Amino acid sequence: EDQVTQSPEALRLQEGESSSLNCSYTVSGLRGLFWYRQDPGKGPEFLFTLYSAGEEKEKERLKATLTKKESFLHITAPKPEDSATYLCAHPMGGGATNKLIFGTGTLLAVQP
Amino acid sequence: EAGVTQFPSHSVIEKGQTVTLRCDPISGHDNLYWYRRVMGKEIKFLLHFVKESKQDESGMPNNRFLAERTGGTYSTLKVQPAELEDSGVYFCASSRGPGGETQYFGPGTRLLVL
Repeated sequence: EDQVTQSPEALRLQEGESSSLNCSYTVSGLRGLFWYRQDPGKGPEFLFTLYSAGEEKEKERLKATLTKKESFLHITAPKPEDSATYLCAHPMGGGATNKLIFGTGTLLAVQP
Repeated sequence: EAGVTQFPSHSVIEKGQTVTLRCDPISGHDNLYWYRRVMGKEIKFLLHFVKESKQDESGMPNNRFLAERTGGTYSTLKVQPAELEDSGVYFCASSRGPGGETQYFGPGTRLLVL
């Protein structure tokens, strides 16, 4: 069964303290690995899509990387405004089906 | 470009009542998805429209849930009659294409069934 597992469940960092979030997946024929950011009371906000092992994408203090079994979201010198829940997901199914399978997320708190 | 919008933002109803949620996708996005997050769990897929047709409704919990997308534009999700376990946050997402296309999410509707 396709599955997405995120770790840690929660992470508390000091401002400027870099770290990484992990997303491991079990799926054959990966058709993309998505990272979203979710703030309290809001919907998931798209960050990155990775399609093949070795691919990397960056946006401000965030960098997402992908291997054959997992993806990492690296946060460099985080600021308090980076505090949010970070979700990863991959599409399940073939053909025109594109339902996303989500992990439970990592709740990141960055303290000033 | 306007994002995905959902209405209402919150709904509190009694068990047995009916509630209708609405989603307006991004203009030009043929694919529309409904998801739900119940307390403490991950976001889970409910169904997928391509234009006005249901492509995949494998995630719909039971026949108390009815989704429509008239004319391939906005979509509604009706819960009738609502049960306590239907409480959660209902998200709508849209994408231009299927496959590995990025899905953009709305802010969600927070449903509480008492």
